[in-house]
Amino acid sequence: DAKTTQPTSMDCAEGRAANLPCNHSTISGNEYVYWYRQIHSQGPQYIIHGLKNNETNEMASLIITEDRKSSTLILPHATLRDTAVYYCIVRVVEGGTASKLTFGTGTRLQVTL
Amino acid sequence: GAVVSQHPSRVICKSGTSVKIECRSLDFQATTMFWYRQFPKKSLMLMATSNEGSKATYEQGVEKDKFLINHASLTLSTLTVTSAHPEDSSFYICSAPSARGSYNSPLHFGNGTRLTVT
Repeated sequence: DAKTTQPTSMDCAEGRAANLPCNHSTISGNEYVYWYRQIHSQGPQYIIHGLKNNETNEMASLIITEDRKSSTLILPHATLRDTAVYYCIVRVVEGGTASKLTFGTGTRLQVTL
Repeated sequence: GAVVSQHPSRVICKSGTSVKIECRSLDFQATTMFWYRQFPKKSLMLMATSNEGSKATYEQGVEKDKFLINHASLTLSTLTVTSAHPEDSSFYICSAPSARGSYNSPLHFGNGTRLTVT
């Protein structure tokens, strides 16, 4: 799986949008971009994923650049409960097989009052 | 609600004993499940891929005789830490896919098991 690069940490004021960048310049055509987050002492929580189009769900939006070399996860109105480590992962997807996720070091997002 | 259930959430055991951790896929029959390990302030490290009906596939450096994996059914995988030592103390997390037939379906994770070996 292609490697990703994320900032080590970020701060965001409560109520503001949190924009978390991820660089995946070596991504291949058969790799999707997945975002997970991990709140302290819990298992990772799935947020969103995409291939090349922008995606939105009830948790977040995912913006993928046209060349697919980078993406941004957007939490539109961050709350204190969004404080967590956010992982951007690129994952090879093969038909009929559930493939593994390889975690990097992620971005520690601190939401403050 | 949770789609992957992991049990126990915490366990303390004495050195030399074995500990079994269960991982259940609640809404999907998973032929493949994954086991991860996480040390404090570190990222998740994949230990092995659990395969229903066949042997688990272990990542490089993970001792297969120490970390026994049994994928007993399409909804249950177990990880047994044999002859545990204090250095095995860690946070163990399992994951499973969420939907059959959707090859890019996300993996969902259990809430982890914190193992402390004294």
